[in-house]
Amino acid sequence: DTGVSQDPRHKITKRGQNVTFRCDPISEHNRLYWYRQTLGQGPEFLTYFQNEAQLEKSRLLSDRFSAERPKGSFSTLEIQRTEQGDSAMYLCASSLDTEQFFGPGTRLTVL
Amino acid sequence: KNQVEQSPQSLIILEGKNCTLQCNYTVSPFSNLRWYKQDTGRGPVSLTIMTFSENTKSNGRYTATLDADTKQSSLHITASQLSDSASYICVVSAAGDYKLSFGAGTTVTVRA
Repeated sequence: DTGVSQDPRHKITKRGQNVTFRCDPISEHNRLYWYRQTLGQGPEFLTYFQNEAQLEKSRLLSDRFSAERPKGSFSTLEIQRTEQGDSAMYLCASSLDTEQFFGPGTRLTVL
Repeated sequence: KNQVEQSPQSLIILEGKNCTLQCNYTVSPFSNLRWYKQDTGRGPVSLTIMTFSENTKSNGRYTATLDADTKQSSLHITASQLSDSASYICVVSAAGDYKLSFGAGTTVTVRA
């Protein structure tokens, strides 16, 4: 399968714990995006990478959130000191031009 | 602020029937509009993409229309199947902007 992959698919954690999600984009795609989606809503933009450079971060990305794309390939999204409000689906997408291809998402539940 | 509004929020149809979903947007300058299908617990998958000059685009039983003058789009599902049960999201791109503007989606439930 050469699509966007995300790991894990589901994560349940206790409030205050740190979590890290991984995204592997389509191999030749230089652009990578992270989104957050809550129930009944469309995805909300979190951050964007072009190669290894993080070019934009949404104000939704508080200082507890950090994203990296160290070699311009896979990316990680870390949430520190999780809160119940962080419970959501975290989607990753990649693109070569304007069409973004989405991964299956990581469902985070914070208890 | 670029916005995308979808209606209805949800609908239930019987298998074999048709339905139409609506999308209104204020994104400017307009580049393209996509309809995505999102199954529960999965990422969105692109169904159609239309640019300014395109009025209609089909993908099997899915037909999308675009009126760039009124900034409206519709997605028509013909002869619905149980597998069409999903959320359908309208997504608009502004020219020169990599960020997408998402609607909240319409949840379609197809019943036997």
